[in-house]
This record gives sequence, C-alpha cells and structure tokens, in this order.
Amino acid sequence: KQEVTQIPAALSVPEGENLVLNCSFTDSAIYNLQWFRQDPGKGLTSLLLIQSSQREQTSGRLNASLDKSSGRSTLYIAASQPGDSATYLCAVFTGGGNKLTFGTGTQLKVEL
Amino acid sequence: GAGVSQSPSNKVTEKGKDVELRCDPISGHTALYWYRQRLGQGLEFLIYFQGNSAPDKSGLPSDRFSAERTGESVSTLTIQRTQQEDSAVYLCASVKGAYEQYFGPGTRLTVT
Repeated sequence: KQEVTQIPAALSVPEGENLVLNCSFTDSAIYNLQWFRQDPGKGLTSLLLIQSSQREQTSGRLNASLDKSSGRSTLYIAASQPGDSATYLCAVFTGGGNKLTFGTGTQLKVEL
Repeated sequence: GAGVSQSPSNKVTEKGKDVELRCDPISGHTALYWYRQRLGQGLEFLIYFQGNSAPDKSGLPSDRFSAERTGESVSTLTIQRTQQEDSAVYLCASVKGAYEQYFGPGTRLTVT
C-alpha cells in the first residue's frame, strides 16, 4: 500500500526566504507526482505535475524535483511571499490503483 | 474554459437524511474522481470513473455511499442515512491526459 509523508507538517518563515518542502513515498512504482496548494475552505489548485520519467518541473518561483528510486520529491519555493501561505499537498499516482495517494500536507505561513 | 464545478458549496443536513452532491467536470476530461477530506485530515479516495468502464468503488466507506456518472459528464455522489462522521468536504476531480487532476471547489457537508 502506497504511503505518502510530508515534512515538515507546518512551517512559518519571513517573507523573502527560499524554502523547501519534502515529500516521500513508499512505493516507487508511480506514474507521476503532483503538487497542489489548498487554501482554507477551498479546493485544490494544481501547481506542478512531474511524470515518472522526469526529474523536475518549474513554474515561476516554484521548482519540483523527483527522485523516483529513493521515493522522494521536493518543492522549492523561491523568494516566498505572504500570498504563498497555504497548505501544500503532494500526491502520487499509482497506476495499479488508478488513484492519487495524498500526503498529509505542509501548512506554510509566510509572514511580513 | 470553466473549471470543475461542484454543487452545493455547502450542505447542512440532519442525521439520517439522504444527500446528493453534484460534480460537473471539465469538458473532454475522460476520468472523474471523488475524494473526501475530513477536518484536519488528508484526502481519502472514494470512487473513480473512467469512460464507460466499471467504476473503481474501492474507496467507498460503506454501502450508504454510491455514485453515478453518465458517460463523460456530470457525476452525483449520494450518501444515504447520513451520519455525523460523514461530515467532511467532498472534492471532485476530473482528469486530463497524463493523469493531471483538476479539482473542484468542494462541497462542505455538515451532518447535525
């Protein structure tokens, strides 16, 4: 059974800092890994999708890397802003189950 | 270019009543997922539809839960004889191509 863990569970940083969120998964037989953000009381917004054959994806200030063999992904956020405050979720798609398995999330707060 | 929509956005119901939640996926997306997110917890997979194939119901928590989808259009999730533990945000996602999931805003269900 696939299990996804995210560390840290919560993070508070001053504006402008670069930061790294970590995601690990137990079964490396994944099709892809997706990072989402979730704002309080709202649904999920897809940030980045990394296919199993890829090493990283970039979008603006966000960069996600994937090391499939070690079961790890990181989300790097450059020059953090208060608007980045949200819960960040990582999820892996395992074809055999046809579903995403989500991590428990990292709650990020970026302070002025 | 509308995204995934869900209705109602909020639903308060009395214990024992039936509820029906609706999801309108993005046009052209072939697959549709339902998830549940209880307060302070991660997302739980409920059910998955792919085209005309039999749905994957492996995540449904009990036989009080059922879902339908007609072709590649609207889906409804029905919860019969609601219990307080059914209180959660119910999220729907539709899938494009390489399994990138697009989420709706969710329906917040409160069972009193």
